[in-house]
Amino acid sequence: DTGVSQDPRHKITKRGQNVTFRCDPISEHNRLYWYRQTLGQGPEFLTYFQNEAQLEKSRLLSDRFSAERPKGSFSTLEIQRTEQGDSAMYLCASSLGRQEKLFFGSGTQLSVL
Amino acid sequence: AQKVTQAQTEISVVEKEDVTLDCVYETRDTTYYLFWYKQPPSGELVFLIRRNSFDEQNEISGRYSWNFQKSTSSFNFTITASQVVDSAVYFCALSLYNQGGKLIFGQGTELSVKP
Repeated sequence: DTGVSQDPRHKITKRGQNVTFRCDPISEHNRLYWYRQTLGQGPEFLTYFQNEAQLEKSRLLSDRFSAERPKGSFSTLEIQRTEQGDSAMYLCASSLGRQEKLFFGSGTQLSVL
Repeated sequence: AQKVTQAQTEISVVEKEDVTLDCVYETRDTTYYLFWYKQPPSGELVFLIRRNSFDEQNEISGRYSWNFQKSTSSFNFTITASQVVDSAVYFCALSLYNQGGKLIFGQGTELSVKP
């Protein structure tokens, strides 16, 4: 079963450090989404790609955040100069097309000390 | 602006009880989709159902049923004869037709089913 996989599962870093997360979507899915979830809240949309094109970015995505999806396959989310407020679960999801159901990965739990 | 509200933060029931999770949404768009996802302790969100705004028929899948009422902007989820394995956080979500499939989630309802 090749679902959405995310790496790493957990990341602990010190404030000011850069971190990068990876997401491998389901292979035939052309849409890929990043969400952020804090404790006790629902996931919040960050950005999404159709193939390699980044089509929308949320206002939550400050200049310290950057996402890429080279060649329309895997995606990376980088956070530069991490802050304690960046501590959250970062979820990746993929879908076959617009309005199709999203398949989520297990997420990367980021803790910024 | 679009919004999804799940007023019940936590619900606790005893096994075999029926339980209903409430979801109220706000949008001015006429074409949209509504979803329910389950998030067990492992963290991975699991898709349960998707409904479009033109289909108000209720749906039943095993012990799960959904009641969609546009008149009250609600999309409630009922679990019949709950089981311990149903314990999880359940999220209701809204997606607008012209917004590329991104989901707007509610705050979630944590369901605890005790034996």
